Amino acid sequence: DAKTTQPNSMESNEEEPVHLPCNHSTISGTDYIHWYRQLPSQGPEYVIHGLTSNVNNRMASLAIAEDRKSSTLILHRATLRDAAVYYCILRPRGYGGSQGNLIFGKGTKLSVKP
Amino acid sequence: SAVISQKPSRDICQRGTSLTIQCQVDSQVTMMFWYRQQPGQSLTLIATANQGSEATYESGFVIDKFPISRPNLTFSTLTVSNMSPEDSSIYLCSVGQGTEQYFGPGTRLTVT
Repeated sequence: DAKTTQPNSMESNEEEPVHLPCNHSTISGTDYIHWYRQLPSQGPEYVIHGLTSNVNNRMASLAIAEDRKSSTLILHRATLRDAAVYYCILRPRGYGGSQGNLIFGKGTKLSVKP
Repeated sequence: SAVISQKPSRDICQRGTSLTIQCQVDSQVTMMFWYRQQPGQSLTLIATANQGSEATYESGFVIDKFPISRPNLTFSTLTVSNMSPEDSSIYLCSVGQGTEQYFGPGTRLTVT
């Protein structure tokens, strides 16, 4: 399985932007970059995903390096509710066209200070 | 999106016994997954359960220890058999829909 590397922890101040990095130097051409987060005492939830181009949604933005060997999840204005563990996951296409299952790494624990 | 419920939400069990965890989804899904999250750790995939076929187990997990049923497109069970304290974890059910995966709230199991 393709591996990702993330910092163990990061801190942010409330209402400031947060940039969460992820290295994935062994990414293959068909791997999608997915981000999930796990709030305390909850199951993980989907944040965003992309293949080559930068992506934006209501939760976050995903910036993907041109060589696809790294990516950055951007939270534009961190809130206390954004305190969670953020997982960067490479997900290969598979299962007859649908995407393969998620393999979780250790993730980055984000703390948000008021 | 899919809404997933799990029963029980938590349980305390004695070693040597078995516990069956239920997972109910509010829509029909083909792919269901079971994960384990040990204290302070990340999630580990136990198995993939597709309706109409045998579950596929990941390395380190076997059917005798974690039998799975998938009787229809909205329901699955995971049994943790012959439990030991090392089985104390959160067990999460998950389903795949399109490009996203949705997770249940988890079942917190403590084995004494």
